[in-house]
Amino acid sequence: GENVEQHPSTLSVQEGDSAVIKCTYSDSASNYFPWYKQELGKRPQLIIDIRSNVGEKKDQRIAVTLNKTAKHFSLHITETQPEDSAVYFCAGKTTGNQFYFGTGTSLTVIP
Amino acid sequence: KAGVTQTPRYLIKTRGQQVTLSCSPISGHRSVSWYQQTPGQGLQFLFEYFSETQRNKGNFPGRFSGRQFSNSRSEMNVSTLELGDSALYLCASSFRLAEETQYFGPGTRLLVL
Repeated sequence: GENVEQHPSTLSVQEGDSAVIKCTYSDSASNYFPWYKQELGKRPQLIIDIRSNVGEKKDQRIAVTLNKTAKHFSLHITETQPEDSAVYFCAGKTTGNQFYFGTGTSLTVIP
Repeated sequence: KAGVTQTPRYLIKTRGQQVTLSCSPISGHRSVSWYQQTPGQGLQFLFEYFSETQRNKGNFPGRFSGRQFSNSRSEMNVSTLELGDSALYLCASSFRLAEETQYFGPGTRLLVL
């Protein structure tokens, strides 16, 4: 079935540095790729998304890039802050309208 | 507008029992999806309901079932619980079927002993 591989599983960065999380998907027909942030004990929240007809999208310190040929997409967080510490999930949406998620990246921003 | 709510928030059951979880979507949302979240597997799609009908189903055994009521509230049932069913069960609601933007509830944490 469709799946998405997410790397790394854990990531530690110094405050102010950048963080990059990468995902590779299997279903070439997938056309929508959201990123969710889940703080400890809280619900996942959508932070940014990208559609297959766009190569890059940016929202303040967060950006997502998509390479359809290579079937991978990445989350970039610049000028990281302690409140960015959380688990981040990438996801893809199949043509059958199901979401499939990566296994998550635990990001720790060290003050 | 109130967010997605789930009850109960925590649940402890023993093997062989069954459990029913409830999800109330955002007012006006008619689609409810259910996910199982475990440390090793991440979030895995269980099923999606829209207008009281199951529209999509993930790769879970028949012990996992659900339903949706006319007010869009949804329940998920797991019968004959196994230790491996211990997980955080999340529901997410959206306005339309297969809509891209979905809003998650806080989850129900189920522990099977």
